[in-house]
Amino acid sequence: QKEVEQNSGPLSVPEGAIASLNCTYSDRGSQSFFWYRQYSGKSPELIMFIYSNGDKEDGRFTAQLNKASQYVSLLIRDSQPSDSATYLCAVRRYSTLTFGKGTMLLVSP
Amino acid sequence: GAVVSQHPSRVICKSGTSVKIECRSLDFQATTMFWYRQFPKQSLMLMATSNEGSKATYEQGVEKDKFLINHASLTLSTLTVTSAHPEDSSFYICSASSLTSGSPYEQFFGPGTRLTVL
Repeated sequence: QKEVEQNSGPLSVPEGAIASLNCTYSDRGSQSFFWYRQYSGKSPELIMFIYSNGDKEDGRFTAQLNKASQYVSLLIRDSQPSDSATYLCAVRRYSTLTFGKGTMLLVSP
Repeated sequence: GAVVSQHPSRVICKSGTSVKIECRSLDFQATTMFWYRQFPKQSLMLMATSNEGSKATYEQGVEKDKFLINHASLTLSTLTVTSAHPEDSSFYICSASSLTSGSPYEQFFGPGTRLTVL
């Protein structure tokens, strides 16, 4: 069974700090990896995706992928209170996305 | 671009009734649409995948006679929850993808429909 594991949190960081969110997955055939942000009562919003080992940066966000360790992470620099949300990791194999349960991030002013 | 809408955003119904949820891709043709369900503090669980003009493929444990999916056009898919019961109360989210887009496997999510069955 394909699994995507995330620490449920909450992860609490002060405003301006770096938030580090982690995700592991079980399916070695996974082809690309996504990070979504979900506010309470809303649907997920795509932050970024990565498919090659290494780092990928987009503004304040950096995704890191290590396929050998089956590990993907998301770093949020200069965290803002508006970043407080649940962050979902998702892995894709062909057309199917499998989601983790998400990590709740709380950024305090 | 790549906007997906859902209607209604919220629905409350009585136990035993049927509810239809619409998912529309507004500015692109969706070759594939996906239906997810999310219970509180849980992840999105894929219910079914549908391609335009063909029968939906349901995930294990999802009753196809209870959750009827129709993908009659490249811009519209509907999910009908038949004989709804309180345990069907959940957040239903659709997504759409297009093989002809620059990101053929990227899914664009609708805003979700909150279903409450009394």
